[in-house]
Amino acid sequence: SAVISQKPSRDICQRGTSLTIQCQVDSQVTMMFWYRQQPGQSLTLIATANQGSEATYESGFVIDKFPISRPNLTFSTLTVSNMSPEDSSIYLCSVARGNQETQYFGPGTRLLVL
Amino acid sequence: ELKVEQNPLFLSMQEGKNYTIYCNYSTTSDRLYWYRQDPGKSLESLFVLLSNGAVKQEGRLMASLDTKARLSTLHITAAVHDLSATYFCAVDDNQGGKLIFGQGTELSVKP
Repeated sequence: SAVISQKPSRDICQRGTSLTIQCQVDSQVTMMFWYRQQPGQSLTLIATANQGSEATYESGFVIDKFPISRPNLTFSTLTVSNMSPEDSSIYLCSVARGNQETQYFGPGTRLLVL
Repeated sequence: ELKVEQNPLFLSMQEGKNYTIYCNYSTTSDRLYWYRQDPGKSLESLFVLLSNGAVKQEGRLMASLDTKARLSTLHITAAVHDLSATYFCAVDDNQGGKLIFGQGTELSVKP
């Protein structure tokens, strides 16, 4: 398994501001992902965070709104930019050591935008 | 485009009863996952199913995979209150680890 931490665990933000969420893993992992879970909904993949290259974004998500960094094999950040109330969600990072491995999820960051 | 559908979406069970949650998906995949989510918590990995006919069991939960039918089941035996949670299936999109999630099944086990 993997021990994953996220910071902050929750936040309340004003519209128009930005928040950067950190994801730290206790060991090196090949694959890191960022998901969004809107209230009462399932999970949707935002992007795959690739170490040493640009993140790969899913349809409906763009780099200007959700810039991602992956400076090494244990750490990634997701920024939610120019926030609006529609961005209120849980943001989760997940990791996997390879394609054949289970994906483990971090504890999530609960974001409320007023 | 891979789509994943679970049913039922809500399930109210009595303790001691058996029931099955179904997960259908639309295109070929190599891997299927089952996760559990308690209210206000993150996802806990339950099972990873990697091949046709795979069956895994942990306690009162048993998961199976039929890749030909594109169907996975999560069977609950003699339910207890502690199993109350939301259960998600997720299918690997064969694109570098990307997972497509079902809608989730909210399970409530009542005495």
